Amino acid sequence: LAKTTQPISMDSYEGQEVNITCSHNNIATNDYITWYQQFPSQGPRFIIQGYKTKVTNEVASLFIPADRKSSTLSLPRVSLSDTAVYYCLVGGDTGTASKLTFGTGTRLQVTL
Amino acid sequence: SQTIHQWPATLVQPVGSPLSLECTVEGTSNPNLYWYRQAAGRGLQLLFYSVGIGQISSEVPQNLSASRPQDRQFILSSKKLLLSDSGFYLCAWSDDSRQPQHFGDGTRLSIL
Repeated sequence: LAKTTQPISMDSYEGQEVNITCSHNNIATNDYITWYQQFPSQGPRFIIQGYKTKVTNEVASLFIPADRKSSTLSLPRVSLSDTAVYYCLVGGDTGTASKLTFGTGTRLQVTL
Repeated sequence: SQTIHQWPATLVQPVGSPLSLECTVEGTSNPNLYWYRQAAGRGLQLLFYSVGIGQISSEVPQNLSASRPQDRQFILSSKKLLLSDSGFYLCAWSDDSRQPQHFGDGTRLSIL
């Protein structure tokens, strides 16, 4: 079971780049790494997913080192609206949804 | 496009009463379906998942049950609610275990 560990909270000023790291030492060969964003009283929203190296989309980048034992979500130039909880999810072997594990989440607070 | 509907948005129930939360997905076929619970200020706990009609896997022993009577319908039930069943219940779907999950807006359940 790929348990994940994230910092409990982070603070940032608006306009800065934020990097949130997730540790997953027991990641399995077929596991994917997925990040979600959650606002209060809402369901999590998918941000980005990757398997190895670097993935970039219109809102974030995901960096995964060669050993895949950690991953870093990078949010460029955050704004106040990026204040939320960010979850790292590791898993995804077909038919093994029981191995999907949400981390404890990182509460990001963005201020002016 | 695919959509997921969860209802009700909020629910207040007395201890010992039954529960039925419904989740439906539109715009996709044979999705994986998931029920999560989130306690206040905590991460997401996977309760049940389903890869097909009538196929339910339980992750946590509890007095809750789930059913999937139709391809895109997932129901969370209880015969007798406990105080500890309070929380934020989220339904999600994905094309398979590797694909990102898409969450509903959740049901906030309070047990009195």
